[in-house]
Amino acid sequence: NAGVTQTPKFQVLKTGQSMTLQCAQDMNHEYMSWYRQDPGMGLRLIHYSVGAGITDQGEVPNGYNVSRSTTEDFPLRLLSAAPSQTSVYFCASSRRAQGHQPQHFGDGTRLSIL
Amino acid sequence: QQQVKQSPQSLIVQKGGISIINCAYENTAFDYFPWYQQFPGKGPALLIAIRPDVSEKKEGRFTISFNKSAKQFSLHIMDSQPGDSATYFCAASMYSGGGADGLTFGKGTHLIIQP
Repeated sequence: NAGVTQTPKFQVLKTGQSMTLQCAQDMNHEYMSWYRQDPGMGLRLIHYSVGAGITDQGEVPNGYNVSRSTTEDFPLRLLSAAPSQTSVYFCASSRRAQGHQPQHFGDGTRLSIL
Repeated sequence: QQQVKQSPQSLIVQKGGISIINCAYENTAFDYFPWYQQFPGKGPALLIAIRPDVSEKKEGRFTISFNKSAKQFSLHIMDSQPGDSATYFCAASMYSGGGADGLTFGKGTHLIIQP
């Protein structure tokens, strides 16, 4: 009964480095999404996917890439890390029948860019 | 992205009291209004949600009140308990349009319930 699993939980990067944040769900949910949470800003949508092979941009997609090769996994890639990408990143999933509204969130990846 | 304005930023309520958090939205196309509860170090958890075809929805001690004409909705926590201390986020989206372009979140309310 894992739900949405995010790894790693914490990461420190240097400016210009790249990395991949992992997200996996075991509920066979069609819809998955990535949000970032910054102090005093709420959560903002980065990218989302309505099913395997389909992805689209959210509100703040610049500097991030995603892919969805399987229903279970939705990794988020930082191409060249910048200090402005210091944030807490949350992955979420839901069933299509729930209108693609995020029902289950992971516990986040706390990312610091030096 | 249209805004969702949430108030207050922080709130202190005595145990057993009523906690009230308010949100206002601008985009009249929004038709799904959820509330999320977040504890430190955890992801947001869906608490309760409402569609605009009803003016109120209650689940246990949690109630959403919705005013379509004023474009406002609020969360009421009855008989507030110390375990309710958390950050609460309101959000809105276009459910009928597929909603895949995600939720627009308020900036959050830090609620403290004093014993």
